[in-house]
Amino acid sequence: AQSVTQLDSQVPVFEEAPVELRCNYSSSVSVYLFWYVQYPNQGLQLLLKYLSGSTLVKGINGFEAEFNKSQTSFHLRKPSVHISDTAEYFCAPGRDSSYKLIFGSGTRLLVRP
Amino acid sequence: NAGVMQNPRHLVRRRGQEARLRCSPMKGHSHVYWYRQLPEEGLKFMVYLQKENIIDESGMPKERFSAEFPKEGPSILRIQQVVRGDSAAYFCASSPERGRARTEKLFFGSGTQLSVL
Repeated sequence: AQSVTQLDSQVPVFEEAPVELRCNYSSSVSVYLFWYVQYPNQGLQLLLKYLSGSTLVKGINGFEAEFNKSQTSFHLRKPSVHISDTAEYFCAPGRDSSYKLIFGSGTRLLVRP
Repeated sequence: NAGVMQNPRHLVRRRGQEARLRCSPMKGHSHVYWYRQLPEEGLKFMVYLQKENIIDESGMPKERFSAEFPKEGPSILRIQQVVRGDSAAYFCASSPERGRARTEKLFFGSGTQLSVL
């Protein structure tokens, strides 16, 4: 069975500081990996995705994530956060051609001035 | 082009009542998916529908829950005789096509927060 763990439920950080949101997944088969972001009172938006190829994936708003197969991780990073990055971030591995994404419990990023 | 629209945004029901959650997919999308997020948990897949067809309901509870996506109108997630454990955020997503690309093109609504008193 496939599962996903987001190790931090909440990450407070000061504006312009770097941030890493951790995600580990378990799977015995190839996966697709996604990060979604949910801004307050809005729906989930796709931030970035790993399907194949380069393990370093760049997404919107300056975020990037690195697929590490040996550590089964897909941590999300940003070198300098803004107040507007305050949101809930969800990691979601998916099986090949599956809409049954398995979402993590989410990490709330709180950016303080 | 409006996004996925869900209503109501918040729904309060007493135990034993019925809850009806609506989802209008993005224009041009014919595939709808419902997910549920229980408190402190991630979203979990419930059901996948196309127009007038249920494709996959493997994530739906066996009783009290049903979903439809009629030829005309929004998709409806219906919960009969609600219990406190049904309190959750219910998200709808839509996509324009089937197959491998489907997962890459999921667009989510803002969700409906159901509270059962």
